[in-house]
Amino acid sequence: QSVLTQPPSASGTPGQRVTISCSGSSSNIGSNYVYWYQQLPGTAPKLLIYRNNQRPSGVPDRFSGSKSGTSASLAISGLRSEDEADYYCAAWDDSLSGRVFGGGAKLTVL
Amino acid sequence: QLQLQESGPGLVKPSETLSLTCTVSGGSISTGSYFWGWIRQPPGKGLEWIGSIYYSGSTYYNPSLKSRVTISVDTSKNQFSLRLTSVTAADTALYYCARGNDYGGNDDYWGQGTLVTVSS
Repeated sequence: QSVLTQPPSASGTPGQRVTISCSGSSSNIGSNYVYWYQQLPGTAPKLLIYRNNQRPSGVPDRFSGSKSGTSASLAISGLRSEDEADYYCAAWDDSLSGRVFGGGAKLTVL
Repeated sequence: QLQLQESGPGLVKPSETLSLTCTVSGGSISTGSYFWGWIRQPPGKGLEWIGSIYYSGSTYYNPSLKSRVTISVDTSKNQFSLRLTSVTAADTALYYCARGNDYGGNDDYWGQGTLVTVSS
C-alpha cells in the first residue's frame, strides 16, 4: 500500500485532456513539493514536473502540475499516443523522514 | 551531459549482501548541492525509494529498509554505492541510481537500471 494514492489507470483519446490525481496527507503533499515522473515501457523514469508545477527543459507545455491541500494532479492536454506510459507522483514525507511514491497510474491512449 | 550507470552482480543469494555501484560521468559527483540516490522497481510493480546521500555526506533511508541499507560516496572514483544486507526474494527488482535536486525528488538524471535477482 503506497503512502500516496493514485488511480491505477487512466485513459483518453488522442487530443483529449486527461488528469491523474495523487492524494496524500499533511505530512507529505500538504507540506512539501510534489514531483511527477513518466515511465515509458522498458525505460527509466523521466522527470516530468518538479516542485508542484515546474516543467524541466524539454518537457512539452501539454504537461502541467497543480497542488491543492493534500492532493495534487497531473494534467495532460492534447493527448498523443506517445504519452502512453506509467505516471508516478512523489513527495517528501516529514513523518517518515523519507521520500514516498504513489503506486503509479497507467495511462492508455485509446 | 551527465550520465549515470549502475553496475553490480545480477544474481544474489538469499541472506547475502547486495552491492551496487553507480558511476557518474560528464560531471563531478562532488560539485553542486545534489542528492545521489537509489530507487528500485520490483518486476511489474511501482517505484520504491531506497535512500539518498546528500553532497554533504548526510544520508536518508527508507524507514522500511533502514536497518539493512548503506549508501556511500567515493569522490575519487566519481561513484556512489548501495549495500543492502540480508536480502530475500522480495528484494528482487530493477535498481536505478539517480541525481536528485530536492529532498522529495526532482531527479533529473537516471541510470538505465540494473536487474538484481535474489535466488539460490
